[in-house]
Amino acid sequence: GDSVTQMEGPVTLSEEAFLTINCTYTATGYPSLFWYVQYPGEGLQLLLKATKADDKGSNKGFEATYRKETTSFHLEKGSVQVSDSAVYFCALSRGYGGATNKLIFGTGTLLAVQP
Amino acid sequence: DAGVIQSPRHEVTEMGQEVTLRCKPISGHDYLFWYRQTMMRGLELLIYFNNNVPIDDSGMPEDRFSAKMPNASFSTLKIQPSEPRDSAVYFCASTHGTSSNEQFFGPGTRLTVL
Repeated sequence: GDSVTQMEGPVTLSEEAFLTINCTYTATGYPSLFWYVQYPGEGLQLLLKATKADDKGSNKGFEATYRKETTSFHLEKGSVQVSDSAVYFCALSRGYGGATNKLIFGTGTLLAVQP
Repeated sequence: DAGVIQSPRHEVTEMGQEVTLRCKPISGHDYLFWYRQTMMRGLELLIYFNNNVPIDDSGMPEDRFSAKMPNASFSTLKIQPSEPRDSAVYFCASTHGTSSNEQFFGPGTRLTVL
């Protein structure tokens, strides 16, 4: 079945460091891919998404490129801030509408940015 | 837009008691999802509805859990009787079926069963 694997955390970085959080997926066809972020005490919120191969999602300085050849969707940011400290979830969905609206989430990666 | 609303935000109860969690989805959304989050098991999908009809409840852990959606603006998740292992944060999320599957999450209900 469909699944998402993301790197174990926690990831601890100093402010202004480069961030990469790896995410790979297993799915047939062409799923949509997402990164969600969860700040302490809050629900998940969409950070970025990509709906087809080679698409790049970007938001708030974060980027991720849909790589079908490597079944990956790694999250990157060139310079992290303390305010980026949160749990990051990679997720996939099989398609638009219908019973495929279900999201499959990875286990989450805790990012801690130190000043 | 008020976003997805959940109540209560925190619930502390004793083992064996009935617990009811409530969710109001974003107006116009036709899909509603209930998730459970724990340190041990991560984020788990419990059940989801489309147009108020349960579509997939395969994630509901056991018969002690039940969920209803009597109308498009309200859903409940009930645990009866509750057990300490049910302690978790429960999230509700909603989406529109013609969107690119972006789900909008509520703030969650933190449940503690003593």
